Amino acid sequence: AQKVTQAQTEISVVEKEDVTLDCVYETRDTTYYLFWYKQPPSGELVFLIRRNSFDEQNEISGRYSWNFQKSTSSFNFTITASQVVDSAVYFCALGFSTGGFKTIFGAGTRLFVKA
Amino acid sequence: GAVVSQHPSWVICKSGTSVKIECRSLDFQATTMFWYRQFPKQSLMLMATSNEGSKATYEQGVEKDKFLINHASLTLSTLTVTSAHPEDSSFYICSATSGGGIQYFGAGTRLSVL
Repeated sequence: AQKVTQAQTEISVVEKEDVTLDCVYETRDTTYYLFWYKQPPSGELVFLIRRNSFDEQNEISGRYSWNFQKSTSSFNFTITASQVVDSAVYFCALGFSTGGFKTIFGAGTRLFVKA
Repeated sequence: GAVVSQHPSWVICKSGTSVKIECRSLDFQATTMFWYRQFPKQSLMLMATSNEGSKATYEQGVEKDKFLINHASLTLSTLTVTSAHPEDSSFYICSATSGGGIQYFGAGTRLSVL
């Protein structure tokens, strides 16, 4: 099965706290992509990162970091020193080519960052 | 980054009318465009995939005659909701890719059918 699971429905933190959003995926493809997108209240999805299945290097971009572990089929996302502007829904997504390339999304994690 | 323009951003229509939503890639050629539907506080559900010049591929359970998709050029795809009914009210989002797996999303269209 091709599936993305984001077990955390909602997370609430206080500004400056670190927060990790979990993502677990299932796929039968050996080549695939993993993504994180941010959806602020305005509704438009913002691309954050793409990882292909052959690149397990972790990545850091400013306050954002991603931990990709194929052994546990996880692609977790950490925001360091969270800010109110980080409040949004975050989607983890899986791109694969079996049956024609498509991307499926997890249910999303709604992050509230309180001042 | 690549820009995808979606229009209109909000539309209200009467039951039984048809509504057309446009999705344009402004600064790149989109080999493939996708249409998603999102209900409040839910995830994105893929409705269909369209490649320029060919018929769209619809996901299981999506009515082809209800949701007409046209991908006439490498920069434009349209979704027409035919004979709209209140249950079609939703947030529709398009995305476009030029390859490499990254999809760039439009701002979405909120459809309300009265």
